[in-house]
Amino acid sequence: DGGITQSPKYLFRKEGQNVTLSCEQNLNHDAMYWYRQDPGQGLRLIYYSQIVNDFQKGDIAEGYSVSREKKESFPLTVTSAQKNPTAFYLCASNGGQGKTYQPQHFGDGTRLSIL
Amino acid sequence: AQKVTQAQTEISVVEKEDVTLDCVYETRDTTYYLFWYKQPPSGELVFLIRRNSFDEQNEISGRYSWNFQKSTSSFNFTITASQVVDSAVYFCALSDLNTDKLIFGTGTRLQVFP
Repeated sequence: DGGITQSPKYLFRKEGQNVTLSCEQNLNHDAMYWYRQDPGQGLRLIYYSQIVNDFQKGDIAEGYSVSREKKESFPLTVTSAQKNPTAFYLCASNGGQGKTYQPQHFGDGTRLSIL
Repeated sequence: AQKVTQAQTEISVVEKEDVTLDCVYETRDTTYYLFWYKQPPSGELVFLIRRNSFDEQNEISGRYSWNFQKSTSSFNFTITASQVVDSAVYFCALSDLNTDKLIFGTGTRLQVFP
């Protein structure tokens, strides 16, 4: 079945540590997105990529980094510069540039907590 | 600026009641798309419906119906005869065709009690 796989489901970060969240899709989608969700809040866009080897900052990119070396993969690194990383992280994908009319497909999310 | 407002933070109903979730949007674009997503307790967002700005026809899918009114910039979602399985957070979203971004509302948590 086609879909988006996020791993791990739960992740714990120590102070000063970088952690990487995985997102893989087999939907042949060009565009991929990372969102952060805090309790009682909507989804806020961290980074997005409309094509391989290219990505743009979203609304809350500080303290995060991404790469898009393969069409299927869009990993998110939460760096030690992100002082409040505890949140639920969702990865999504859709057709790509100029195709915002297409619904985004979402993964099951990764819940990140601070130790 | 593009904006989506879901004024209802949380709604509680008893099973079999009808419930309407409100969504009001702001945009200067003439062409845009509106979406509803459901987020069950498991966490993933499930796509429910998309509506483009040129199609104001209401849509019904089983117990779900959507009312799109451009005159009031609203895209409301009604669940008829609610069930416990409808308990979730529901998000309304607006496409920004200039930036290829999706603008989400803050969501409405629906709790349906047996």
